[in-house]
Amino acid sequence: QKEVEQNSGPLSVPEGAIASLNCTYSDRGSQSFFWYRQYSGKSPELIMSIYSNGDKEDGRFTAQLNKASQYVSLLIRDSQPSDSATYLCAVSASSNTGKLIFGQGTTLQVKP
Amino acid sequence: EADIYQTPRYLVIGTGKKITLECSQTMGHDKMYWYQQDPGMELHLIHYSYGVNSTEKGDLSSESTVSRIRTEHFPLTLESARPSHTSQYLCASTGANYGYTFGSGTRLTVV
Repeated sequence: QKEVEQNSGPLSVPEGAIASLNCTYSDRGSQSFFWYRQYSGKSPELIMSIYSNGDKEDGRFTAQLNKASQYVSLLIRDSQPSDSATYLCAVSASSNTGKLIFGQGTTLQVKP
Repeated sequence: EADIYQTPRYLVIGTGKKITLECSQTMGHDKMYWYQQDPGMELHLIHYSYGVNSTEKGDLSSESTVSRIRTEHFPLTLESARPSHTSQYLCASTGANYGYTFGSGTRLTVV
């Protein structure tokens, strides 16, 4: 079992819809959770961070964390074709070293 | 503006050559990382450093080596490049538990 798991997709949604991206992790001691967006051929870009249970909203993005279920998700409202990218879930190692464990990423396709 | 820089952006080099990929950051971050990523594939951690004179191998075995003589500089060296080293190399840094900042990457092709 991988430490951080994501469905590789592709996840295809129509423009204007809500895209829901999911991630599970195995280390119960993890404290910090991040979502990165990576366009093809580019480097990952941090778009959301979440540290406590519940929802965190930033513009069209909402991150959701449930530590009891070891589950973190990213919702993208009013999806745009420019949101088409690979989304990487990253979880901090419980050793508090700053080291992140990345999932394999979910490819999102937003169709006009 | 604080940032993290990688050079070169693209590199095509012959088999057997020695290469150094540069990574520098101006944010004063202690922790720096090198990842290798093939197109459409996962990120693989190959080296990391928690400060000056501290380097560790990552989860993916790599023939490359790194050094950390200054806080801001974390170069990666391949003594003898091979076609199997063709990949994208990404450098990242973090100061605390706030996530990584990635550089733009170096796309290496060994012919």
